[in-house]
Amino acid sequence: NAGVTQTPKFQVLKTGQSMTLQCAQDMNHEYMSWYRQDPGMGLRLIHYSVGAGITDQGEVPNGYNVSRSTTEDFPLRLLSAAPSQTSVYFCASSRLPPYSNQPQHFGDGTRLSIL
Amino acid sequence: DAKTTQPNSMESNEEEPVHLPCNHSTISGTDYIHWYRQLPSQGPEYVIHGLTSNVNNRMASLAIAEDRKSSTLILHRATLRDAAVYYCILRDTGNQFYFGTGTSLTVIP
Repeated sequence: NAGVTQTPKFQVLKTGQSMTLQCAQDMNHEYMSWYRQDPGMGLRLIHYSVGAGITDQGEVPNGYNVSRSTTEDFPLRLLSAAPSQTSVYFCASSRLPPYSNQPQHFGDGTRLSIL
Repeated sequence: DAKTTQPNSMESNEEEPVHLPCNHSTISGTDYIHWYRQLPSQGPEYVIHGLTSNVNNRMASLAIAEDRKSSTLILHRATLRDAAVYYCILRDTGNQFYFGTGTSLTVIP
């Protein structure tokens, strides 16, 4: 029972490098989201998707791209990494929008450091 | 702008009940009240949600005020494993899910 799987768990990048954070879920959930969590802060929504082929911006989308070609996968791309993007990134999925009566399922996070 | 207000931190003795309050005076009539918790170095974990009536599950109880402007998460017997940050969450403007900074619960052995 895998749930939401995020890879990698840890990553160190240099400023200007690009990379993709992977997120996969095996629950056939339509709704998927990416959050970032800075030290001592709550989670902030980066991008979300309501189904394959449909994505939208959240609270802090600048510097990130997403796509949703399948129901299972929702990768997050950093185009040109900056030290301000040092954070812990969480992916989540749910059957319905998270503000509905369905819970979100979260991955274990990717800890990203930008030097 | 349906934001929530929670105390920054609370303490509880082990095996005693814990009442975690949340104020949400701008809640709309159709918004669910969600509670999640986050253990150290882990992703958030769903705890409970409700709309109008009090709710119970195996983890906790949720007491919702009659006017829905506040709610209380109740852990009936706190254990050391319940030490976490607890988030009370509503739908924000633009249909976002706003986490806030939550309440950090310390359980004292």
